[in-house]
Amino acid sequence: DTAVSQTPKYLVTQMGNDKSIKCEQNLGHDTMYWYKQDSKKFLKIMFSYNNKELIINETVPNRFSPKSPDKAHLNLHINSLELGDSAVYFCASSQLGQHEQFFGPGTRLTVL
Amino acid sequence: AQSVTQLGSHVSVSEGALVLLRCNYSSSVPPYLFWYVQYPNQGLQLLLKYTSAATLVKGINGFEAEFKKSETSFHLTKPSAHMSDAAEYFCAVSDLTGGTSYGKLTFGQGTILTVHP
Repeated sequence: DTAVSQTPKYLVTQMGNDKSIKCEQNLGHDTMYWYKQDSKKFLKIMFSYNNKELIINETVPNRFSPKSPDKAHLNLHINSLELGDSAVYFCASSQLGQHEQFFGPGTRLTVL
Repeated sequence: AQSVTQLGSHVSVSEGALVLLRCNYSSSVPPYLFWYVQYPNQGLQLLLKYTSAATLVKGINGFEAEFKKSETSFHLTKPSAHMSDAAEYFCAVSDLTGGTSYGKLTFGQGTILTVHP
């Protein structure tokens, strides 16, 4: 019954490593997003994809590379992890023309 | 660019008391407005949304919000707080990026609601 799922829920890694976070939605939506929630709980959009095409890229460092193999999946790959990348990353989805977004449970990334 | 300001990073009420969480927005176009709730270590759950229909919007768990264009506000209220309402609440505005309907959510800073017995 899970609508938007993310794996893993927790990710602890060393600086300089490369890691990926996966997101899947079973709502039939065609638009997916990645948001970053920093240590002060501030939420900011990173990327948005519609039907596998990038439509929003909010000046995120190019170490972050989203990939959408199909419209139900949007994965986030991060190269050369830095301490400042530590945050909670949320995936979300919506249907074209609808502004309501459905969020996943989040992935807490800790970079040591 | 759109923006959202939530007045008060922490609000504390007694159980049974009125809950009022304030949200003001800035938008050059008619906005779509949302309130989300985040319980500890969980994702965001939609409480309610305003999409240019009725100005008084009812949501889940007894919450409601009133859109006031003249005040550019979308405050969240609940007549009687329950212990289970303790969480962080986020107000958000949807942006019509590039004239399309894809949209992105711009969030306020969040308000932590504490409910005392």
